[in-house]
Amino acid sequence: KNEVEQSPQNLTAQEGEFITINCSYSVGISALHWLQQHPGGGIVSLFMLSSGKKKHGRLIATINIQEKHSSLHITASHPRDSAVYICAVRSSNYQLIWGAGTKLIIKP
Amino acid sequence: DGGITQSPKYLFRKEGQNVTLSCEQNLNHDAMYWYRQDPGQGLRLIYYSQIVNDFQKGDIAEGYSVSREKKESFPLTVTSAQKNPTAFYLCASSIRDRSSYNEQFFGPGTRLTVL
Repeated sequence: KNEVEQSPQNLTAQEGEFITINCSYSVGISALHWLQQHPGGGIVSLFMLSSGKKKHGRLIATINIQEKHSSLHITASHPRDSAVYICAVRSSNYQLIWGAGTKLIIKP
Repeated sequence: DGGITQSPKYLFRKEGQNVTLSCEQNLNHDAMYWYRQDPGQGLRLIYYSQIVNDFQKGDIAEGYSVSREKKESFPLTVTSAQKNPTAFYLCASSIRDRSSYNEQFFGPGTRLTVL
């Protein structure tokens, strides 16, 4: 079993829908990262969380440390949100452990 | 403006040849990393370097080599000993490695195909 599991693996939705991507982990962590990988391959950091909730524009990230679970939400989704969303956790010994990613397609 | 560059974007290689992937950053970051990405899998760490003239093996270092002679540069050589080199390679850098709040900045990647 992978230490970082994302679900779903693939998600297709219509423009305007509310999107939720989940990340569960099995190790003790000091921080959790959400990143976005564009179709061309470049990766950008969206959020870094150690507790609670963060919001940036239409993106919201939450984390529940007790349940070892994080969610990334996208409100009012748009085709330009189509990308691979990656969850990565920084373990207690500073190792970065990566999820396999969720491929999101938003149809107009 | 500051960032990380990788070249080339696409690279084709014949079996049995060594090939070197370039990674340069002008962010004044101490730490640099090389990752390999395969379809359906998370990024896997090949090598990382926390300071000039020092580097450590990651999870899948076999068949790869690196150097860190300058702070700005961290080239990766894919040797003929790497059994399955076709993949997407990503370089990243960060201010320092040993920090909970360390953000890594990524280059655009190099897609290597072995023919």
